[in-house]
Amino acid sequence: DAGVTQSPTHLIKTRGQHVTLRCSPISGHKSVSWYQQVLGQGPQFIFQYYEKEERGRGNFPDRFSARQFPNYSSELNVNALLLGDSALYLCASSPGQGANQPQHFGDGTRLSIL
Amino acid sequence: GQSLEQPSEVTAVEGAIVQINCTYQTSGFYGLSWYQQHDGGAPTFLSYNALDGLEETGRFSSFLSRSDSYGYLLLQELQMKDSASYFCAVRDPTGSARQLTFGSGTQLTVLP
Repeated sequence: DAGVTQSPTHLIKTRGQHVTLRCSPISGHKSVSWYQQVLGQGPQFIFQYYEKEERGRGNFPDRFSARQFPNYSSELNVNALLLGDSALYLCASSPGQGANQPQHFGDGTRLSIL
Repeated sequence: GQSLEQPSEVTAVEGAIVQINCTYQTSGFYGLSWYQQHDGGAPTFLSYNALDGLEETGRFSSFLSRSDSYGYLLLQELQMKDSASYFCAVRDPTGSARQLTFGSGTQLTVLP
């Protein structure tokens, strides 16, 4: 079975540009979460979507937005990119929202801002 | 808010046993999870403890003491492939997202 897939794997942008990152969850998983991981740190929560509705938002500016589609895939959009947005962006899926359900992570998109 | 503390680095030799500790401060608690991440790879779920005690999964075990807000991951019979970063994480019970809050990670280096 396919795991969580993310695209693209690497991306280089310049300050002020916008970017769209994509995620396909494991088949049957309805919950998708996005995390930002800066080098040397743990993943930091950005958004969670469940059944196509936003269920949570982390402490990120409004330049960050996301959505979930009817097939449960998801996009993360970041506008007006800053140098500090350089990071690994991880998508994770789980069947539902149960606290005991592990998050299944994709390999991430490595975003570099020049 | 949630905060977790874990050692930044641990070094051990092949075949040894290593324990990675995690202390947490949370406004609520839904359980402690552990994830492994190799350089450049995806975090991979290792274990979840909701109740006090020890959970064993092969060479890996995880322990939780809710009264002490403390847990640890125990890795036995260390192998070179266990060199990776290990993160403890707690669920945020506030709101409906119940997102994971991660510690900063422990870099484990296994020496031959």
